[in-house]
Amino acid sequence: DQQVKQNSPSLSVQEGRISILNCDYTNSMFDYFLWYKKYPAEGPTFLISISSIKDKNEDGRFTVFLNKSAKHLSLHIVPSQPGDSAVYFCAASGTGSARQLTFGSGTQLTVLP
Amino acid sequence: NAGVTQTPKFQVLKTGQSMTLQCAQDMNHNSMYWYRQDPGMGLRLIYYSASEGTTDKGEVPNGYNVSRLNKREFSLRLESAAPSQTSVYFCASSGGGSNEKLFFGSGTQLSVL
Repeated sequence: DQQVKQNSPSLSVQEGRISILNCDYTNSMFDYFLWYKKYPAEGPTFLISISSIKDKNEDGRFTVFLNKSAKHLSLHIVPSQPGDSAVYFCAASGTGSARQLTFGSGTQLTVLP
Repeated sequence: NAGVTQTPKFQVLKTGQSMTLQCAQDMNHNSMYWYRQDPGMGLRLIYYSASEGTTDKGEVPNGYNVSRLNKREFSLRLESAAPSQTSVYFCASSGGGSNEKLFFGSGTQLSVL
């Protein structure tokens, strides 16, 4: 049973428009959430994170929103650029048995020029 | 900065063969991890080492063994490879505190025939 779910395997967006990637989780013990970006033949790299005490965190073109009641988070990329084309993984961790990072299955984002 | 270095990058094995995947980090991190990435499954934790001298099972440890050789190095061994172990393997490291982000190596593509 996947505790972190990314229900959209792929997403295509025009350059300059907003990309919205979604993630849902089921474990109430998760209190820290991250997004990783992965290019082909490379390892994932950290992009942005958010603690459960916040509902929004922004870093340049990237903003992560957290809705704890819905157990849902989203990553917004504005404006999208062709170099943003990659696989994006949502991940979550918490305390106790949930202290290790649990990853979603990833969303392939393609930004069309 | 090398960061996290994994060897080899590619490997083909026959069923029943053994091999060891090597990982080294130069960031003086306490914690190290082995993940596997499979299509539609995201990244799943195989084993981790919270600190030098300790190792623990992750979500999918069956068929694998690990050794934390020293603070820098963490190896993953397949004693008798099976086709189900065909995957991309990633090593990662972190400082080890709570909410520490992971730094990943570039991966090992393993095929078991």
